[in-house]
Amino acid sequence: KQEVTQIPAALSVPEGENLVLNCSFTDSAIYNLQWFRQDPGKGLTSLLLIQSSQREQTSGRLNASLDKSSGRSTLYIAASQPGDSATYLCAPLGGSNYKLTFGKGTLLTVNP
Amino acid sequence: SAVISQKPSRDICQRGTSLTIQCQVDSQVTMMFWYRQQPGQSLTLIATANQGSEATYESGFVIDKFPISRPNLTFSTLTVSNMSPEDSSIYLCSVEDSEGLPQHFGDGTRLSIL
Repeated sequence: KQEVTQIPAALSVPEGENLVLNCSFTDSAIYNLQWFRQDPGKGLTSLLLIQSSQREQTSGRLNASLDKSSGRSTLYIAASQPGDSATYLCAPLGGSNYKLTFGKGTLLTVNP
Repeated sequence: SAVISQKPSRDICQRGTSLTIQCQVDSQVTMMFWYRQQPGQSLTLIATANQGSEATYESGFVIDKFPISRPNLTFSTLTVSNMSPEDSSIYLCSVEDSEGLPQHFGDGTRLSIL
């Protein structure tokens, strides 16, 4: 059974800092891995998807890396802004059961 | 990417009643998924709903409690039956445009049971 751990659980930083959010998963047989953000009381917004054959994906100030063999993914946020404040979730897609498994997320607060 | 609309956005229900949540997509999609997010927790998959076949439920979820319909490629419903306070959660539907592409989520239905 896939288990996903996200570290840290919460992070508070001043505006402008570069951030690293970590995700680890126990079953490396994944199809891909997605990073989402969730704003309070809202659904999930897809940020980045990394295929199992890829090492990283970039979108604007966001960069996600994947080391499938070691079961790790990292989300880098450059030059953080208050609008980045949200919960960030990672979710690998199982290679055998084709199911997303979510971590508990990292609650990010960027202070002006 | 697909645009997903969920209704209702929130509701407060009495114990023992049932509520049907609707999920409408602006394009045809093969795979639709229903998730539950209990307070302070992450998302848990309830079932996968593919058009033309019975929904596939995850361990711990049963059809009698969470019946699902998928009448066409743009629409699905999830019913939460015989509700108790433990069912108070956010229920979200998601879709996958095509295999290997990102899953996209609706804004969810925030359900409170008194």
